[in-house]
Amino acid sequence: DADVTQTPRNRITKTGKRIMLECSQTKGHDRMYWYRQDPGLGLRLIYYSFDVKDINKGEISDGYSVSRQAQAKFSLSLESAIPNQTALYFCATSWSGLDQTDTQYFGPGTRLTVL
Amino acid sequence: QKEVEQDPGPLSVPEGAIVSLNCTYSNSAFQYFMWYRQYSRKGPELLMYTYSSGNKEDGRFTAQVDKSSKYISLFIRDSQPSDSATYLCAMRGSGNTGKLIFGQGTTLQVKP
Repeated sequence: DADVTQTPRNRITKTGKRIMLECSQTKGHDRMYWYRQDPGLGLRLIYYSFDVKDINKGEISDGYSVSRQAQAKFSLSLESAIPNQTALYFCATSWSGLDQTDTQYFGPGTRLTVL
Repeated sequence: QKEVEQDPGPLSVPEGAIVSLNCTYSNSAFQYFMWYRQYSRKGPELLMYTYSSGNKEDGRFTAQVDKSSKYISLFIRDSQPSDSATYLCAMRGSGNTGKLIFGQGTTLQVKP
């Protein structure tokens, strides 16, 4: 089984709809992240959470909100979807332990299309 | 200007070629440098990691960091069709902040 799972894997929705993307992990990591990937722009950080009570905005948080329901679950919401939020969304996790690499492990991605 | 610049390619090479992938950056505070590989329809996965300046080798892959020039490279020797993927550089400053800044990614195709 995959260590980091994302649901749904694909979603098509209409402008103005509320959408939730979900991420679960079985790695036991404390840190979780949401990124979006656009052609030519690479990966950009939307929100990140270092533990259940810690939520931080990333580079491009406008139009998005998150919820850390448990250490293993981190969801991303688009309150009112717009076409320029069409992108590939990735969840990632990492461990804050002594290892300074703080390697991030990515889920398989959710392809979101907003019409 | 982006903090991290990476030529998106695409880069097409014949099997067996030596591949050089590069990123430049502007923030002198970056200390940790990574290369992620992303296959089509998959999430990125860590390929190489380097702290500060110098070289690191892992099989056919060599990561090189030149902090004086703010330039990092990934070399792939004896490239294989299975190396066809998008390669993203990523970097962060000191301290265990977890926040990475990614390059745009370079798409590589290795032709048999």
